[in-house]
Amino acid sequence: EAGVTQFPSHSVIEKGQTVTLRCDPISGHDNLYWYRRVMGKEIKFLLHFVKESKQDESGMPNNRFLAERTGGTYSTLKVQPAELEDSGVYFCASSQDRGSGRLLNEQFFGPGTRLTVL
Amino acid sequence: AQKITQTQPGMFVQEKEAVTLDCTYDTSDPSYGLFWYKQPSSGEMIFLIYQGSYDQQNATEGRYSLNFQKARKSANLVISASQLGDSAMYFCAMRVLTGGGNKLTFGTGTQLKVEL
Repeated sequence: EAGVTQFPSHSVIEKGQTVTLRCDPISGHDNLYWYRRVMGKEIKFLLHFVKESKQDESGMPNNRFLAERTGGTYSTLKVQPAELEDSGVYFCASSQDRGSGRLLNEQFFGPGTRLTVL
Repeated sequence: AQKITQTQPGMFVQEKEAVTLDCTYDTSDPSYGLFWYKQPSSGEMIFLIYQGSYDQQNATEGRYSLNFQKARKSANLVISASQLGDSAMYFCAMRVLTGGGNKLTFGTGTQLKVEL
């Protein structure tokens, strides 16, 4: 079974440019999450999709970030225009829905995309 | 709001020795789950172990065990018989059942280095 994949693995862009990150979840996983780790800090939640719907986008830092999951399969996270503070590692994770109230809906993480904004 | 604190930015351990990575948490929700993830230098996040707030026994998975002390709000990871391949970043995380959605709240991580 293929794991969560992310593309690209690295991206170096200049301030003001646009970057689009892609995540392919594990097949059959309805839940898809985006997280970000800024250097030396904790991994922070950005948003959560259930199929194609945004379930929780409370962690999105500002309107320069746009996440989509058309068709409920892969997801993209676009940063436009990128700023220096957007540099970090962006992780995607996916999980199955084992029903409400279940805490161990284990999230499987991708390898991350390292974004550097110069 | 939930918070995870990992106070050890870096740890060293000799091969074959045991090591404890500290994690304390804060939440007012009585139902929560605690997770440990390992991130080797290759970058992927690997799930290690899970402890539910109502679990009576400490979780164990092979060489990993979770020292869960609910009254102290701590969930330390114990790795027994350390191996060179255990060198990695380790993250403690929490998810609450009510009001927290599915999102994980992470700590800042502990970089573990296993030495010969």
